[in-house]
Amino acid sequence: EVQLVESGGGLVRPGGSLRLSCVASGFTFGDYGMAWVRQAPGKGLEWVSEISWSGATSGYADSVGGRFSISRDNGKNSLYLQMNSLRPEDTAFYYCAREGPYVEFDLWGQGILVTVSS
Amino acid sequence: QSALTQPASVSGSPGQSITISCTGNNTVGTSHLVSWYQQRPGTAPKLIIFETDKRPSGVSPRFSGSKSGYTASLTISGLQTDDEADFYCCSYVERSRFAVIFGGGTRVTVL
Repeated sequence: EVQLVESGGGLVRPGGSLRLSCVASGFTFGDYGMAWVRQAPGKGLEWVSEISWSGATSGYADSVGGRFSISRDNGKNSLYLQMNSLRPEDTAFYYCAREGPYVEFDLWGQGILVTVSS
Repeated sequence: QSALTQPASVSGSPGQSITISCTGNNTVGTSHLVSWYQQRPGTAPKLIIFETDKRPSGVSPRFSGSKSGYTASLTISGLQTDDEADFYCCSYVERSRFAVIFGGGTRVTVL
């Protein structure tokens, strides 16, 4: 089955760190760019970061630049998001998404909740 | 960052057609790489339109996309109760390949 499964979410205090993981199955992971998209409870979608198929290039939203780092391990079919200096406004469901050639996100994980609170 | 502007809500009766707009100057206005997503409550978004007007395999032909100037549009024809959901447009910011932006979302209600 073609799917993405996120893990690593949870409750963390402001200023803390968390690492999200996303494991892909059912397709050739190394052929695709990948992204993280988040959604605060009751709010809209926000692109967070993305990485090229090889891992050579990446980009970040202004809201997380310098605090979050995206990476991937094609041998393990895995995508990661290292989140440092977390703030309450980072509280959201984080989705892992596969990116097609036309900047479209054609496969999504189920999402994982990250809560930043004291 | 640049903005993509969508109406907060759109409604229609079963069988009608509705259109959701998505406006952005240095995003939609300069790119054909607009995509649309449907999100039902408690579920992940689903891609329904990419490259402005193309449908992925398995998506109903009742969904269609278009663009004119700075505004992209999603039209839902033959509105069904199952279409009730939030819809988001998406494009990339002109200044950088790796800078993607979503619209604020539109809640579709079937009356």
